[in-house]
Amino acid sequence: AQKITQTQPGMFVQEKEAVTLDCTYDTSDQSYGLFWYKQPSSGEMIFLIYQGSYDEQNATEGRYSLNFQKARKSANLVISASQLGDSAMYFCAMREGGTGANSKLTFGKGITLSVRP
Amino acid sequence: DVKVTQSSRYLVKRTGEKVFLECVQDMDHENMFWYRQDPGLGLRLIYFSYDVKMKEKGDIPEGYSVSREKKERFSLILESASTNQTSMYLCASSLFRPMNTEAFFGQGTRLTVV
Repeated sequence: AQKITQTQPGMFVQEKEAVTLDCTYDTSDQSYGLFWYKQPSSGEMIFLIYQGSYDEQNATEGRYSLNFQKARKSANLVISASQLGDSAMYFCAMREGGTGANSKLTFGKGITLSVRP
Repeated sequence: DVKVTQSSRYLVKRTGEKVFLECVQDMDHENMFWYRQDPGLGLRLIYFSYDVKMKEKGDIPEGYSVSREKKERFSLILESASTNQTSMYLCASSLFRPMNTEAFFGQGTRLTVV
């Protein structure tokens, strides 16, 4: 079974508008962490935001926020005031807790975001 | 400035060759990962290591092996390269604790097997 599911094939947003990128996850661990990364056309992987399973507040980092709904196992990324430079592939990832042997980092298939001027 | 360095940006190898992809990190991280990235499939974990000489299979380990003899270096080995291993390979590293530390990625190696 997929651990991280990102089903939106591609998203378009008008510059200066907000956009939500969906991510659902599957784990039986109580302790886990969720990450979002951005990959522009240059190929580098850029860390955006983190949400821990025990965090009571939704994470925010500048224009990025995470809509964390634990019961639904979803961790959607919200980008406010989109900019042309936000056009990229976005990946959701999960790290499960426990021992070192279990601390792998699993990614979803990614979502392509295109920002229109 | 933190760094994960992959030995090659581009590689072209022949079918059946033994291929080594090297990754070095300078952050004293316990965890190191090898992924392959293919269009429409995202990043798929091949192997990871949480300590020297320790390794765990990821989701697609078949056809690959790894070696971690020193903390800073994690090697991916294609024992007998095949054309279906043509892909972008990404190495990453992270601290084991705390949980909220992000993984840092290398620049990627685009491997073509002909």
